[in-house]
Order: sequence, then C-alpha cells, then structure tokens
Amino acid sequence: EAGVVQSPRYKIIEKKQPVAFWCNPISGHNTLYWYLQNLGQGPELLIRYENEEAVDDSQLPKDRFSAERLKGVDSTLKIQPAELGDSAVYLCASSLDRVTSGDNEQFFGPGTRLTVL
Amino acid sequence: AQSVAQPEDQVNVAEGNPLTVKCTYSVSGNPYLFWYVQYPNRGLQFLLKYITGDNLVKGSYGFEAEFNKSQTSFHLKKPSALVSDSALYCCAVRDDGQNFVFGPGTRLSVLP
Repeated sequence: EAGVVQSPRYKIIEKKQPVAFWCNPISGHNTLYWYLQNLGQGPELLIRYENEEAVDDSQLPKDRFSAERLKGVDSTLKIQPAELGDSAVYLCASSLDRVTSGDNEQFFGPGTRLTVL
Repeated sequence: AQSVAQPEDQVNVAEGNPLTVKCTYSVSGNPYLFWYVQYPNRGLQFLLKYITGDNLVKGSYGFEAEFNKSQTSFHLKKPSALVSDSALYCCAVRDDGQNFVFGPGTRLSVLP
C-alpha cells in the first residue's frame, strides 16, 4: 500500500513569490492534515480536512495561505506571497477516522522542505 | 484546549542503557496519546498509542510507554538504547473528534 505522497520534496523560491505543495493521502483516509515543522521542533497544525470540508483552519494564516481538497482526496496548500519566515518543512498526514472516536494514528508524508530566499 | 509538554529538549544516553523521554499532557475528556519518531531527513513515523486498557503500551522497535492518569503523563521508555534510536521524538494528544496536538519534540542522542 502506498503511503502519503507529497510533492515537491524540495522548493527554493525568492520572497514574494507564490508556491504550492501537493499531497495525496493514503487511499480511503477521510481526514487530511497540513502541518508546518521548523527544524528540530514538533509539527504545528495548519489545517485539518474531513473529506472535503476544512473543519479546523484556525491556525492557517489566511492572509497568505490557502488550501483546498476539492474532491475529498488529494489536497493543495498554497502560499502567496511567500515570506522569509515561511522557510520550514510542510508535512501532510492522513488518517481514517470514525465519527465517534479519534483513536486512529496519523500517517505522515515525507514533507516538502521550503526555502525562501 | 489540549496541550502537550516535553520538558527536555535533548536527552543523551549511552548505548545499552535504559532511556526515558518524558511527556505530560492536558486534555478535557478521555485522552488519546501517541508517540512518533522522526529520523534525520525522514518523515514522522508512528511508534505507539494509548487509547484505553493497560497503562503500559508496547510499540515498534522495542519501545513502550506508560500512561499515568494521576500525573497526566505518557513517558516513552526503552530498556536498552541503540545508537540507531537517535532521532526526534514527538508526543501527541487528541481527544474525541479533535485535532492532534504535538509536543515540541525531544532530541534523543544515543552515544556509542
């Protein structure tokens, strides 16, 4: 079974440029997460989708970040315009969740390492 | 809102010695607790979880964790550390239907 797929693995851009990251979760997983991870730190949630609905985007900086999961499968995270402080690893994760409980673990992709110059 | 603390940024242990990586949590309702490991230049990998039942949970690579409700802790342990265990360890908590909240991570270095 294929894991969570992310592309690109690395991206270098100049500040003020746009950038987009793509994620394909594990087949059948209804919940998808985007996280930001700084070097040596734990991941910080940006947005969580249940199917195609964004159920928690409270930590997403909406002035420059946007995300979509139109068909409830793959997802795109966009930054426009990028700032120097956006340099980090962007992680995508998915899980198969039941309505009544949240006991299933997440599976993470390899991440996209963004460098903003 | 739930939260996770990992009081040690770095833990150093000699190979063959037991290791402990600490985690405490705060959550309303029943806690679901997780440990993940991240090896250099790799994604996060699931190690183990506590949902209910036995307080001692066994996971991958010989790791185990003990849930302590009164101390709101979920410390990760291994009886005999390997150099290859050197990695970033992240504790996470989730309550029913809510998001995962990750701790800041603890970097484990196992010295030969």
